[in-house]
Amino acid sequence: QSALTQPPSASGSPAQSVTISCTGTSSDIGSYNYVSWYQHHPGKAPKLLIYDVTKRPSGVPDRFSGSKSGNTASLTVSGLQAEDEADYYCSSFAGNSNYVFGTGTRVTVL
Amino acid sequence: QVQLVESGGGLVKPGGSLRLSCAASGFKFSDFYMRWIRQAPGKGLEWISYITSDRTTFYGDSVKGRFSISRDNAKKSLYLQMDSLRAEDTAVYYCVREYFYRFDLWGQGTLVTVSS
Repeated sequence: QSALTQPPSASGSPAQSVTISCTGTSSDIGSYNYVSWYQHHPGKAPKLLIYDVTKRPSGVPDRFSGSKSGNTASLTVSGLQAEDEADYYCSSFAGNSNYVFGTGTRVTVL
Repeated sequence: QVQLVESGGGLVKPGGSLRLSCAASGFKFSDFYMRWIRQAPGKGLEWISYITSDRTTFYGDSVKGRFSISRDNAKKSLYLQMDSLRAEDTAVYYCVREYFYRFDLWGQGTLVTVSS
């Protein structure tokens, strides 16, 4: 199963917003509302940011938001902060206990 | 403290074996499905194996027949026995808790390098 497609990089100045896309197919993102997003600072444990397309776990700032349209999901980081500089990965359920991950996006805060 | 801590990574020759361990703390380990997810250098994430709370196991095609996942609920530990290792198995291996279609707790990962 092919990986979900994300842009390799994205950037923005502090306080600006950045949106990361995650494109899949009708077999994964298009079929299920089980898209999740993860933040990964290299060397640390990845952290769940968004699940079920739009939901945030307790403790995740509301600057992070998710959406989906068709076969594409998106993560928006509003009010960028220096600590948001990290790698971001999307994931989608793809049926039969199978999950597919995105290729990853490196976010740089200028 | 709710956390997962992996250990057991290292350098191994092609064809060799390695056993990874993951120690869970701060939650009821036996209630959760657990997965091993890896990230090869410069590549994305790939789930390779998971085990249900009642010890049913599943494997990705890339490791089927070579890797074996197990758990000891009394010790709150997850394991991955890796045999017949190949260069393409070189990756950081993460122990991950699965909860209703999301991976809500990750360890920091342990690096496995397969090289002669």
